[in-house]
Amino acid sequence: DTAVSQTPKYLVTQMGNDKSIKCEQNLGHDTMYWYKQDSKKFLKIMFSYNNKELIINETVPNRFSPKSPDKAHLNLHINSLELGDSAVYFCASRPTDRGGTEAFFGQGTRLTVV
Amino acid sequence: AQSVTQLGSHVSVSEGALVLLRCNYSSSVPPYLFWYVQYPNQGLQLLLKYTSAATLVKGINGFEAEFKKSETSFHLTKPSAHMSDAAEYFCAVINTGFQKLVFGTGTRLLVSP
Repeated sequence: DTAVSQTPKYLVTQMGNDKSIKCEQNLGHDTMYWYKQDSKKFLKIMFSYNNKELIINETVPNRFSPKSPDKAHLNLHINSLELGDSAVYFCASRPTDRGGTEAFFGQGTRLTVV
Repeated sequence: AQSVTQLGSHVSVSEGALVLLRCNYSSSVPPYLFWYVQYPNQGLQLLLKYTSAATLVKGINGFEAEFKKSETSFHLTKPSAHMSDAAEYFCAVINTGFQKLVFGTGTRLLVSP
């Protein structure tokens, strides 16, 4: 069973469209993340949710809106897509209460805005 | 705030040669440190982690890393590179409060025959 799964794996869309990426984890973790990886492979955290509550929002444009219907799911909705949004988006999860525990990552969603 | 710095965006080695990927951390408290590997078009996979139990940490695929407090370093090594080791490697640290992983800029390992 896949621990952290994201859909879709690839997403090609036109500028101005609205799209969503879904993420689910079956690890029982209470914290979930969205990371953005740019063309230079740099990984930057976007959001973090703990038990469905937003705890980190790293100066991301408000066109990006995460939603956590329950602690196993964290979806990312993007409005009015721009060329600069093209990147790979990774979902991840980890338990919050143990600093030594690693984050588990999904396979990524490659978003291409044309 | 905790951070990590990876020296060298690209490292090239020959198959069978020693692999050394550098990571230095900045933290006012004992850090939790991680090395992840990313193969092309894939997600991130944990190689190993430092959680203060032992300074020399062994991971998967023959990799290991040594935590050196005096040098604020956590360099990743492998005695003999294999072609399949070609990938992007990331060092990361957990921030205070354990809320997020902060990544270095990554090092691409190139392995030539």
